[in-house]
Amino acid sequence: DIQMTQSPSAMSASVGDRVTITCRASQGIRNYLAWFQQKPGKAPKRLINAASNLQSGVPSRFSGGGSGTEFTLTITSLQPEDFATYYCLQYNSYPLTFGGGTKVEIK
Amino acid sequence: QVQLVESGGGVVQPGRSLRLSCAASGLVFSTYAMQWVRQAPGKGLEWVALISFNGGNDYYADSVKGRVTISRDNSKNTLYLQMNNLRTEDSAVYYCATDRDDYWGQGTLVTVSS
Repeated sequence: DIQMTQSPSAMSASVGDRVTITCRASQGIRNYLAWFQQKPGKAPKRLINAASNLQSGVPSRFSGGGSGTEFTLTITSLQPEDFATYYCLQYNSYPLTFGGGTKVEIK
Repeated sequence: QVQLVESGGGVVQPGRSLRLSCAASGLVFSTYAMQWVRQAPGKGLEWVALISFNGGNDYYADSVKGRVTISRDNSKNTLYLQMNNLRTEDSAVYYCATDRDDYWGQGTLVTVSS
């Protein structure tokens, strides 16, 4: 099975900051990676698929990059509504696997 | 609009069984692969299982393989998750979701406790 290691597990940031979250796969997954945002008590929301393809309606301050085993989610100019937990998901092969999550908190 | 509504959660003793349902509306259900994702209290997301659009293929997480069966009834626009021999570590909110287009239900809570 493919293990997804996400870092950091938590971070504090201020409104306007640039934030980068990293996800590493235990083996190559091409670009079969998605990023999700989850707020407390809510279902996850997909932000990006295919590593860098922004979903419709997602603000352009979110971007994704990488391929193979190293991936990043970047939020330029963090907004108050962006404080949430973020997860990566590999869908290159079954079983699908999520990263452990990154909680972005207000500094 | 698209709605996915889970039901069937509750409190169950270890070793017992439970069947979750997910009723879909507002989409052509029979064209979507469907999946279950769970989240234990205070923990991260865990993918559980996926079934192809016509039910011909299914896939499972190692943690549930052999104890859980995903199925669907396209005539009823409903997805199911049959969970047997439940363990305390199966306690979680269970979400159903489409494979594409990112539709999710609100989740149903399963608590396995004696």
